Amino acid sequence: DGGITQSPKYLFRKEGQNVTLSCEQNLNHDAMYWYRQDPGQGLRLIYYSQIVNDFQKGDIAEGYSVSREKKESFPLTVTSAQKNPTAFYLCASSSVIYNQPQHFGDGTRLSIL
Amino acid sequence: QQPVQSPQAVILREGEDAVINCSSSKALYSVHWYRQKHGEAPVFLMILLKGGEQKGHEKISASFNEKKQQSSLYLTASQLSYSGTYFCGTEKVTGGTSYGKLTFGQGTILTVHP
Repeated sequence: DGGITQSPKYLFRKEGQNVTLSCEQNLNHDAMYWYRQDPGQGLRLIYYSQIVNDFQKGDIAEGYSVSREKKESFPLTVTSAQKNPTAFYLCASSSVIYNQPQHFGDGTRLSIL
Repeated sequence: QQPVQSPQAVILREGEDAVINCSSSKALYSVHWYRQKHGEAPVFLMILLKGGEQKGHEKISASFNEKKQQSSLYLTASQLSYSGTYFCGTEKVTGGTSYGKLTFGQGTILTVHP
């Protein structure tokens, strides 16, 4: 079955450490997105990519970095510059045609040790 | 800007109806609706296009008023499975290549009791 796989499900970060969240999709979608969700809040866009080797900053990109070397993969690195990284991170993908739904992975919950 | 959803929370008994609204200050191309259960991924419900088109999915339907830049989600004869947080995601009218870029509201928590 096609879908989006995020790993790990839970992740712990030490102070000053970079961590990378994995996102893989086999839906043949060109567009991929990373969102951050804090308790009781909506989804805020961190980065998005509509084609391989190209990506754009979303609304809260500071302290994060991404790469898009393959169509199927869009990893997110939470750097030490992100001072408040504790959150639920969701990856999504969609076709790059208007009016297409976004399909979400099951998320990664990141906490600070 | 983030669209504004109202109400923030709704409590229903099985079989009752509810309406969730989503308003934007920007001209919109489309409105997406998603439902998220606690700790899970959001699940797509439907997309509304400008033009006032109304869509339905079982007992859940929605409308989009282009003039008011507002969408409403209608849940009729609610079931226990309808419980969750409902998010609207709005896509602004642009001339560029930012299609698919959604801005989500803060969510409406819907609780259905037996």
